[in-house]
Amino acid sequence: DAGITQSPRHKVTETGTPVTLRCHQTENHRYMYWYRQDPGHGLRLIHYSYGVKDTDKGEVSDGYSVSRSKTEDFLLTLESATSSQTSVYFCAISDSLLDEQFFGPGTRLTVL
Amino acid sequence: DAKTTQPPSMDCAEGRAANLPCNHSTISGNEYVYWYRQIHSQGPQYIIHGLKNNETNEMASLIITEDRKSSTLILPHATLRDTAVYYCIVRDLSSGSARQLTFGSGTQLTVLP
Repeated sequence: DAGITQSPRHKVTETGTPVTLRCHQTENHRYMYWYRQDPGHGLRLIHYSYGVKDTDKGEVSDGYSVSRSKTEDFLLTLESATSSQTSVYFCAISDSLLDEQFFGPGTRLTVL
Repeated sequence: DAKTTQPPSMDCAEGRAANLPCNHSTISGNEYVYWYRQIHSQGPQYIIHGLKNNETNEMASLIITEDRKSSTLILPHATLRDTAVYYCIVRDLSSGSARQLTFGSGTQLTVLP
């Protein structure tokens, strides 16, 4: 398996609090992605990064921000969590934009 | 990207070949067929992809029809650990949307002992 870890793996928080999820890779892949997965909606891209400090929006970016200060780390921040952001969040990496993506184990976030 | 149609569920006996079909009748010439799977509570896992020719790797084989309107993923000797949801995806690698994997509802494969 590709060396991808996500932390925390589970988190329960309250509406209005900030939350940061971390994705860490040991593969030195250029591209990193954040997805959310919800029943009935499948997998949806939130943001992705194509290099250090280079990021772009995905399909469902509202309410989320990202940062990538090092090749190996990609952070997803919910500035003020809402109940609609309760979901399972997956990080993925790829060597190029067109290569297959390898996924992390996921973070289950519950916003009360 | 072209849409895909997969059966919602399939069963397979352990040790037998699992053949998972996918219909992508509106696929265009630039679109590749990808297969991923997701075991319960885990992240999606890449299996295989192809454009026109049949492909094989250590996990599976991908058979694409000559008209490219459908494909079949073959797990040659299914084990209980292959129980998962299998997703067939078509990606236009020449378009801006290629960065995003769009999963449909997939096929729940259950391997029976």
